[in-house]
Amino acid sequence: AQSVAQPEDQVNVAEGNPLTVKCTYSVSGNPYLFWYVQYPNRGLQFLLKYITGDNLVKGSYGFEAEFNKSQTSFHLKKPSALVSDSALYFCAVRDYGQNFVFGPGTRLSVLP
Amino acid sequence: DGGITQSPKYLFRKEGQNVTLSCEQNLNHDAMYWYRQDPGQGLRLIYYSQIVNDFQKGDIAEGYSVSREKKESFPLTVTSAQKNPTAFYLCASTPRTGYNYGYTFGSGTRLTVV
Repeated sequence: AQSVAQPEDQVNVAEGNPLTVKCTYSVSGNPYLFWYVQYPNRGLQFLLKYITGDNLVKGSYGFEAEFNKSQTSFHLKKPSALVSDSALYFCAVRDYGQNFVFGPGTRLSVLP
Repeated sequence: DGGITQSPKYLFRKEGQNVTLSCEQNLNHDAMYWYRQDPGQGLRLIYYSQIVNDFQKGDIAEGYSVSREKKESFPLTVTSAQKNPTAFYLCASTPRTGYNYGYTFGSGTRLTVV
């Protein structure tokens, strides 16, 4: 069975500092991993995905994520946080032919 | 522009009443999904449909019903059997169920029982 864990409910970071939002996963086959962002009372927006290839994936709004197979992790990162990055972030995994499984979400607060 | 439209944005339901949430997409996507979002619980799958006139139950289908008569439309009915319907409901679609397709989400419907 697929599962996703986001060990931190909340991440606080000062504007201009680097940020990391953690995600670990469990799948039986090759993982297909995604990050989404949600702003208040809105749907989820796609940020980036890992399907195959380079372990470092670059996505929208300056975000990137590193796939680490040995640690079964797919942490989201950004070198310099903006106040406008404050939102709810979801990690998701999809096994081939299966539906998505979403993590519980991590609320990111970037403090000015 | 292509996308998914959910309506209404806010919906109020009285006890014992059925209500229907609309989801329409013009992306020509085959698969559509309904999720329920509660604070601190992430997204939980209610129903999904991979093709017209076919749909499957997700993890929390009790108290909900769907139909897929047209490719573009996947309405969700919250029945009186759903005892705790207050939540944020999200509709999503994907071109097909292949592994490398992400979801496109609608902007959601917030349902409140009054």
